Amino acid sequence: GAGVSQTPSNKVTEKGKYVELRCDPISGHTALYWYRQSLGQGPEFLIYFQGTGAADDSGLPNDRFFAVRPEGSVSTLKIQRTERGDSAVYLCASSFLSGGAAGELFFGEGSRLTVL
Amino acid sequence: KQEVTQIPAALSVPEGENLVLNCSFTDSAIYNLQWFRQDPGKGLTSLLLIQSSQREQTSGRLNASLDKSSGRSTLYIAASQPGDSATYLCAVMDSSYKLIFGSGTRLLVRP
Repeated sequence: GAGVSQTPSNKVTEKGKYVELRCDPISGHTALYWYRQSLGQGPEFLIYFQGTGAADDSGLPNDRFFAVRPEGSVSTLKIQRTERGDSAVYLCASSFLSGGAAGELFFGEGSRLTVL
Repeated sequence: KQEVTQIPAALSVPEGENLVLNCSFTDSAIYNLQWFRQDPGKGLTSLLLIQSSQREQTSGRLNASLDKSSGRSTLYIAASQPGDSATYLCAVMDSSYKLIFGSGTRLLVRP
């Protein structure tokens, strides 16, 4: 597709359940970012990948959060033992990063997670 | 640690006014600065990207400036329209390629 695609757009789950959120970046983009946005706040950095490897995961709040990008394209954000405080919109973005040149980030529409 | 602040948090203006949104950041070691627009319940739309070596960028009625040494950027919107109503977010890319966001300015343009 032409833009960043995120699925599901909405996810309602119960406390303690496991959740996966998927991101399909713009074709050819080498970098993929995950952010979390709470109501009335700016997006908060979670993790970014350059290719298949996590280049910086310093924003992941705890070990219940994990993300993978096994083939350097699609990424999955995984949340174990969900808590009510995990409720937020999870945003994915992609960019072309090469040789130290930092490109423009393009965002998907987000996945709204509600933990009951 | 890089911190980004946006002032004002909210702004209401009558249609046709020219307006300025402000963004400041604490660490001048940045690769670029981006301004985004976010409509309620939607993702982020990139408006302007300014590389660290640039001073300003223009797109239509939008003009963004960057003063890296003082840690400031402004987004100027000319002849505002009701369709400009949205939240405007400023973000800087730090030395480790993370994009750090401010909390945004909520703009309402009244007809």
